[in-house]
Amino acid sequence: EVQLVESGGGLVKPGGSLRLSCAASGFTFSNAWMNWVRQAPGKGLEWVGRIKSKTDGGTTDHAAPVKGRFTISRDDSKNTLYLQMNSLKIEDTAMYYCTHYNGVWHWGQGTLVTVSS
Amino acid sequence: EIVLTQSPGTLSLSPGERATLSCRASQSISSNYLAWYQQKPGQAPRLLIYDASSKATGIPDRFSGSGSGTDFTLTISRLEPEDFAVYYCQQYGSSPYTFGQGTKLEIK
Repeated sequence: EVQLVESGGGLVKPGGSLRLSCAASGFTFSNAWMNWVRQAPGKGLEWVGRIKSKTDGGTTDHAAPVKGRFTISRDDSKNTLYLQMNSLKIEDTAMYYCTHYNGVWHWGQGTLVTVSS
Repeated sequence: EIVLTQSPGTLSLSPGERATLSCRASQSISSNYLAWYQQKPGQAPRLLIYDASSKATGIPDRFSGSGSGTDFTLTISRLEPEDFAVYYCQQYGSSPYTFGQGTKLEIK
């Protein structure tokens, strides 16, 4: 069974940094393309970015609102996906989900990031 | 970037009625890589349909997805009380993967 468990959320001041993690199990993580999706309170879903498997180049794509501030990475030895978030803004406040498609979409339960002074 | 437009924004129906939700893309979606999700307050999105018309595990038969190219539809044949929620479509045919703005299905 595919499981995705996010962690690392919390309260951070504007301009601060935070790193989110997503522990994956139930599939071959090293072969997987992984994504981050977020949802601000009371708002819709927003794709944050994606990282390909190393065999497919390991490249990343980031959505325009986070490009240059957020970085997606992976540690295949730990079956873990990361989202490094720098220069955080109030509008980055959201629930952050990691997701994976292997013919069907799988989502974690999310971790909440609150950016506030 | 592919923009997804969902309509209507809010749909007011009664239990037992048929619901038809639309998702229109600004350009053709590769391989019909279109998913539908249901979300209730305080919960993560729940996958209903993937690849435009394939039903996820455990999803009741009253839910169905159809369409291709730029026009997609989620149909709920006979509404149950637990179906009232917000529904999103997502395309994953090309990066950036994008979501529609959502349709709120409310009890009339």
